[in-house]
Amino acid sequence: SAVISQKPSRDICQRGTSLTIQCQVDSQVTMMFWYRQQPGQSLTLIATANQGSEATYESGFVIDKFPISRPNLTFSTLTVSNMSPEDSSIYLCSVDWTGTNYGYTFGSGTRLTVV
Amino acid sequence: RKEVEQDPGPFNVPEGATVAFNCTYSNSASQSFFWYRQDCRKEPKLLMSVYSSGNEDGRFTAQLNRASQYISLLIRDSKLSDSATYLCVVNSGSNYQLIWGAGTKLIIKP
Repeated sequence: SAVISQKPSRDICQRGTSLTIQCQVDSQVTMMFWYRQQPGQSLTLIATANQGSEATYESGFVIDKFPISRPNLTFSTLTVSNMSPEDSSIYLCSVDWTGTNYGYTFGSGTRLTVV
Repeated sequence: RKEVEQDPGPFNVPEGATVAFNCTYSNSASQSFFWYRQDCRKEPKLLMSVYSSGNEDGRFTAQLNRASQYISLLIRDSKLSDSATYLCVVNSGSNYQLIWGAGTKLIIKP
């Protein structure tokens, strides 16, 4: 399976600032996925990032708030912009390393606290 | 109604017992089904895919009932290390869109 390195693992940020989360995959993958997991809840897909095109955002998430970059097939970033305490959550990147929808690997997550 | 529903638990089970989780899904067009395991403060990890014919991996057995739109996970001879949250995951019917249940927390007690 693919190995994903996600950084930072955690951060405490002031409201109104932005944080960029990075994910590096050890193999080339077509799609990368960004999720949010709020305390005690399951995963919610923020967006799907394809290399060479704009990310596709899910309902309730917009590019201005969560800009995503995908410069190549092994790397992606998610920025949480103009943060508020409601953005406190765990953010996870994921890839389908099988390419067939049968195996998703996750980064270790970024635990974000906004104060 | 949630797209994927699970009993949140927690299930408190003595070591060695058998425990079963159920999960229901609303989209009859779903084609792919999975169980993931998430340890506290860790990322989810794929436990097993669920096939129409049912499948077994050691102490773990997964079943799919398309007519009733539910998925089950059976854990036999439970170990302390099985303590985790078990997430039911279903694809939305379109490629690469997964819908995650909220998870069932399992606590195995010695």
